Amino acid sequence: EPEVTQTPSHQVTQMGQEVILRCVPISNHLYFYWYRQILGQKVEFLVSFYNNEISEKSEIFDDQFSVERPDGSNFTLKIRSTKLEDSAMYFCASNPGQAFSGANVLTFGAGSRLTVL
Amino acid sequence: AQTVTQSQPEMSVQEAETVTLSCTYDTSENNYYLFWYKQPPSRQMILVIRQEAYKQQNATENRFSVNFQKAAKSFSLKISDSQLGDTAMYFCAFMKYTGNQFYFGTGTSLTVIP
Repeated sequence: EPEVTQTPSHQVTQMGQEVILRCVPISNHLYFYWYRQILGQKVEFLVSFYNNEISEKSEIFDDQFSVERPDGSNFTLKIRSTKLEDSAMYFCASNPGQAFSGANVLTFGAGSRLTVL
Repeated sequence: AQTVTQSQPEMSVQEAETVTLSCTYDTSENNYYLFWYKQPPSRQMILVIRQEAYKQQNATENRFSVNFQKAAKSFSLKISDSQLGDTAMYFCAFMKYTGNQFYFGTGTSLTVIP
């Protein structure tokens, strides 16, 4: 069954460092997302991406965050200068889009755990 | 704004018994989707079941079924014949029909006791 893959599974970084989290969505999906889950808290929406641009973003997704789809397969989340409060599990997800079978169902990756020291 | 509320942070059930997880939501939308996702200890969230708001019939997937009450904005998940592998965090989620952002509840941690 097709799946969303994420790397790294765990990254430890120093505060102020840049981090890039990578995702390979399911190949024929059109919508891509990043969510985060701080330990013990709920899953929070960060950003959605469609047609090579951001379609929606939350208040959390400030200027420190950016997303890219550099090569048609990878979907990356960059945090320019990490803060302690960025420590969380980051989930990538993809959605085929409304025209397709299985539309409007998010398929999630296994997550990337970011620890900022 | 859409909100999703799961009022049961933790629940437990004996193996083979039935358990119901609660979810309520708030929206002014008339058409939308509701979901239950399962997040086992291995971390990846997996879709359990989906309900389209315009469908009156409650969705079922094998041992999983929902009780969708649109007027009450309630969307509970019933797990029948609970199995040890059902132990996980369960998230209720909402999506507008014309949007693509999911709104998640805070989750219910379910433990199936042998």
